[in-house]
Amino acid sequence: DAGVIQSPRHEVTEMGQEVTLRCKPISGHDYLFWYRQTMMRGLELLIYFNNNVPIDDSGMPEDRFSAKMPNASFSTLKIQPSEPRDSAVYFCASSFRGNLAGGPRSKSYEQYFGPGTRLTVT
Amino acid sequence: GNSVTQMEGPVTLSEEAFLTINCTYTATGYPSLFWYVQYPGEGLQLLLKATKADDKGSNKGFEATYRKETTSFHLEKGSVQVSDSAVYFCALSTPGGGATNKLIFGTGTLLAVQP
Repeated sequence: DAGVIQSPRHEVTEMGQEVTLRCKPISGHDYLFWYRQTMMRGLELLIYFNNNVPIDDSGMPEDRFSAKMPNASFSTLKIQPSEPRDSAVYFCASSFRGNLAGGPRSKSYEQYFGPGTRLTVT
Repeated sequence: GNSVTQMEGPVTLSEEAFLTINCTYTATGYPSLFWYVQYPGEGLQLLLKATKADDKGSNKGFEATYRKETTSFHLEKGSVQVSDSAVYFCALSTPGGGATNKLIFGTGTLLAVQP
């Protein structure tokens, strides 16, 4: 398996421009997560999807950020317009929930991360 | 609410030294616990995990034991190498009912191993 694929790996753009980050999760996984990592704030969960449906977007910083998952093999995170404070590494991760039978001590749902997109907004 | 607290870094050790990175958690229910490692310029990789109390996760010489009585999951390695230099994240998940599959991460601990 190729793992989680993200593109581009690096993006440099000017303030005010639209930025689109892309993610292909591991085949068969039913959860997809978008994270942002900065020195100041560490690793932050922005939004996550289950079966292509957004479940929790409470981490999305503001309306300039939007995410979509049109099908099980593709997701985008868009920033419009971009600002210098959006500069960060953005990670996509996916996981498989598995069989819940067995009660609260069943599957551990580990997440598999992509290599990240380093975004620089000047 | 659920949270993870891990020791602040950086942790600087000489090669072959013993490593401990402390992690404690607060959670409802029966969380699973994880250690992730992030090498420079890369994404996070799962290092080890434990899904129930008293389980010991181990991988690449690292190990951690799920201690429910002390709500801890400390990471240890008997003899570190320069190649272990990375940032280590402790995390928990709370599987169960509903469409919840989030991981709660600690702030990360930078480990620097000197030759």
